[in-house]
Amino acid sequence: DQQVKQNSPSLSVQEGRISILNCDYTNSMFDYFLWYKKYPAEGPTFLISISSIKDKNEDGRFTVFLNKSAKHLSLHIVPSQPGDSAVYFCAASVCAGKSTFGDGTTLTVKP
Amino acid sequence: NAGVMQNPRHLVRRRGQEARLRCSPMKGHSHVYWYRQLPEEGLKFMVYLQKENIIDESGMPKERFSAEFPKEGPSILRIQQVVRGDSAAYFCASSTEGTDTQYFGPGTRLTVL
Repeated sequence: DQQVKQNSPSLSVQEGRISILNCDYTNSMFDYFLWYKKYPAEGPTFLISISSIKDKNEDGRFTVFLNKSAKHLSLHIVPSQPGDSAVYFCAASVCAGKSTFGDGTTLTVKP
Repeated sequence: NAGVMQNPRHLVRRRGQEARLRCSPMKGHSHVYWYRQLPEEGLKFMVYLQKENIIDESGMPKERFSAEFPKEGPSILRIQQVVRGDSAAYFCASSTEGTDTQYFGPGTRLTVL
């Protein structure tokens, strides 16, 4: 039973446009959500997070939206840049402790 | 402030040998997590440790795998009698107490021949 799902394995967008990466979860106990970016042969890099008491968190070009009723979160990147091309993982946790990861979405930003 | 360190970066073992993966958390971090990533899959939680204490090992295979985080020194993930299916990237992450943001190391890529 996969508790965190990223249903789109890949996404391709044009430079300057918006990238929207989606993530769904099933465990209503999750109270903290994170997005990580990963380049090949490197570890995941923390990007942005959101607590369940919020519905939006913004950091520069990155915004995460949380819809608790739909158990859905999304990461918006605008404007997208070629350097954003990477695998993006959504993760969720209950209090402090282990994170449950989705399988990732490979984003390609075309110049 | 150095990030999470993992060594070795690449490890090759023959079937039946032992693999030892090391992780030094970020300075000031007292919580360590181990994850495994199989090809074409996401990261799967293995174990969560604090100094001298295993907090959650629900993701650890029941046999051959063990982990420790001693009072001094790095955290060690130990895989005994490795099999080909153990080939994967093993990532360590660390966090400060009371926060959920985990910072990852570069990973150890284990190849079992």
